[in-house]
Amino acid sequence: AQRVTQPEKLLSVFKGAPVELKCNYSYSGSPELFWYVQYSRQRLQLLLRHISRESIKGFTADLNKGETSFHLKKPFAQEEDSAMYYCALSSGGSYIPTFGRGTSLIVHP
Amino acid sequence: NAGVTQTPKFQVLKTGQSMTLQCAQDMNHNSMYWYRQDPGMGLRLIYYSASEGTTDKGEVPNGYNVSRLNKREFSLRLESAAPSQTSVYFCASSLTGQGAFFGQGTRLTVV
Repeated sequence: AQRVTQPEKLLSVFKGAPVELKCNYSYSGSPELFWYVQYSRQRLQLLLRHISRESIKGFTADLNKGETSFHLKKPFAQEEDSAMYYCALSSGGSYIPTFGRGTSLIVHP
Repeated sequence: NAGVTQTPKFQVLKTGQSMTLQCAQDMNHNSMYWYRQDPGMGLRLIYYSASEGTTDKGEVPNGYNVSRLNKREFSLRLESAAPSQTSVYFCASSLTGQGAFFGQGTRLTVV
């Protein structure tokens, strides 16, 4: 069975500080990994896909198959980054996204 | 391009009432999903449809039914609402293996 774990419910930082939101997964095959962001009372939006290896809004994420992790990082947090972040995994023939429980990021001025 | 559209945005039901949440996408996606979002629980899959004409149970299907009416539309029905079904419901769609696009959500309260 596939599982996504986000160990932190809440991450609180000051503007300009580095941010790392942790995501660990369990899956025996080759997963597709994603980060989604949900701003207050809005829909979830796709932020990153590991396969595209891109940087969006200054965020990056690297897939570490040895540690089964896909942590989301940003060197300098901004107040507008305050949101709920979900890590998700898709795998197998059905490619159904499985989500972690989410991490709430609060960036203080 | 509307993306994924859900109706209604808000709903209050009495215990035992029924209702259908509507979802439509205009991106020609094969796969569609219904999730519920609860505090501290993340998003849990209720039902999904890998293609038109097929539906399958997800993690928390009890108390729900779905219909994939055509490629565009995927509805979620609560036959007899219970307070435990108070939640925010999200519909999503995707191409196989790609990231999902979400609707704006339906905030449902069952009293």
